[in-house]
Amino acid sequence: QLQLQESGPGLVEPSGTLSLTCTVSGASISTNTYYWAWIRQPPGKGLEWIGSIHYTGGAYYNPSLKSRITISVDTSRNQFSLRLNSVTTADRSIYYCARLGFIAARRGWFDPWGQGTLVTVSS
Amino acid sequence: QSVLTQPPSASGTPGRRFILSCSGGTSNIGSNAVNWYQQVPGSAPKLLIYNNNQRPSGVPDRFSASKSGTSASLAISGLQSEDEADYHCATWDDSLKGWVFGGGTKLTVL
Repeated sequence: QLQLQESGPGLVEPSGTLSLTCTVSGASISTNTYYWAWIRQPPGKGLEWIGSIHYTGGAYYNPSLKSRITISVDTSRNQFSLRLNSVTTADRSIYYCARLGFIAARRGWFDPWGQGTLVTVSS
Repeated sequence: QSVLTQPPSASGTPGRRFILSCSGGTSNIGSNAVNWYQQVPGSAPKLLIYNNNQRPSGVPDRFSASKSGTSASLAISGLQSEDEADYHCATWDDSLKGWVFGGGTKLTVL
C-alpha cells in the first residue's frame, strides 16, 4: 500500500528556508506515469498547490511561489523534497506531499496524500 | 482568494440528498477535469471524485459529481453524520498553468 510521509523542522525563522522531505513507501517513486507534489494549507483555510516533480527531475511550480521554491527528487532514497526560501509568517501552513496521477494531460489528481506537517514561522 | 469559488459552509439533514457547488471560469473548470477531495477534521484530504465523475475504489456510490460549463457539483445522497467534513474542488488552470483549488466547503450534518 502506497504511503507518503512528510518530515522536517516544524519551526523556521523569518527570512529563513523551509526544508521538507517526503518519503514514499510501498511503491517506487521512479514510475513514469506519476508526478509527486507538494500542497499546503494554512490552518483553517483552503489548499494551495506548491509544485510537482517527476522522478526524472522535471518540475513545475505555482507561478506565485516559483521564485522561492525548489523541489528535488532522490530516487535512491525514494524521496522528494521541498525548499522554500525567504519565508514569512504567511508561509505558516500544514504542508502535504501527494502523488499526482494522470489519465491525460491536465486530467490529473492528487492521491494519496501524506498526513501533513505543520510548519510555523517564528523567531 | 481561491481561484475556484465554493460556499464556505453548508448544512444538511441526515438521509437527505445534498449538493455542493464549485464555480470557476473558462480557463479552469470550463476546460479541464474536476476533482473533489474530502477532508475530515484533523486529517489529510482524501480523493473522493476524479476526472469529473469517477469514484476511486472504496468511495461509496452515495457520492457523485458532475460538471456543466464553468461549474461543478458534488452530490451526496443519504447524508450521514460521517459525511461531516470539508470538501474541496480542484482542477488545472490553463491561464495560471497550475493546479487550483476552491476554498473548501465545511459541511455540517445536523
